[in-house]
Amino acid sequence: SAVISQKPSRDICQRGTSLTIQCQVDSQVTMMFWYRQQPGQSLTLIATANQGSEATYESGFVIDKFPISRPNLTFSTLTVSNMSPEDSSIYLCSVDSASRTGAKNIQYFGAGTRLSVL
Amino acid sequence: QKEVEQDPGPLSVPEGAIVSLNCTYSNSAFQYFMWYRQYSRKGPELLMYTYSSGNKEDGRFTAQVDKSSKYISLFIRDSQPSDSATYLCAMYMNTGFQKLVFGTGTRLLVSP
Repeated sequence: SAVISQKPSRDICQRGTSLTIQCQVDSQVTMMFWYRQQPGQSLTLIATANQGSEATYESGFVIDKFPISRPNLTFSTLTVSNMSPEDSSIYLCSVDSASRTGAKNIQYFGAGTRLSVL
Repeated sequence: QKEVEQDPGPLSVPEGAIVSLNCTYSNSAFQYFMWYRQYSRKGPELLMYTYSSGNKEDGRFTAQVDKSSKYISLFIRDSQPSDSATYLCAMYMNTGFQKLVFGTGTRLLVSP
């Protein structure tokens, strides 16, 4: 399994500003994912980030609002741009890795970033 | 209709009880099923991963899959206060990257 460090762990931001969230993995991984978790709702995939290519965004999420970087196989950033109170949520990164039992395509998650927008 | 339905709870049980957590899904193409545990202010942690119908056991945890009914369950035996967390079911269709689809999570409270 992979160990994922995500920062900041939480932040309180003003409307109209941007926040960049960092995700660091302790091993090289092909695929990294960014999710949003809103209260009472399922984890929702924002985008998939592969090293060396543009991120693939899910329906309802656009690059201008959530630009993603993936400069190498152990690191990615998600920026939440021009924030509004509706962006208040937990943002999680995950990686696709083999489990300790050898099962493939298992996703492991960071601790998340709790974002509050005033 | 959501692809994956999960009762949000909270489910409150006394210590030592057997807990049953459930998810139903609508798409019969889902083949791989997972249960994650999420403590407050933490990320989801993988608990169980199953593929075939039937039961899979790991310590106090048993995952059950019934593909004919599109129904999965997680049983926790001898529940402990440390089991208090939100449990999320998740599933995807086949190997090679497929998007994980999550339930909303069930909040479990185990009282001493």
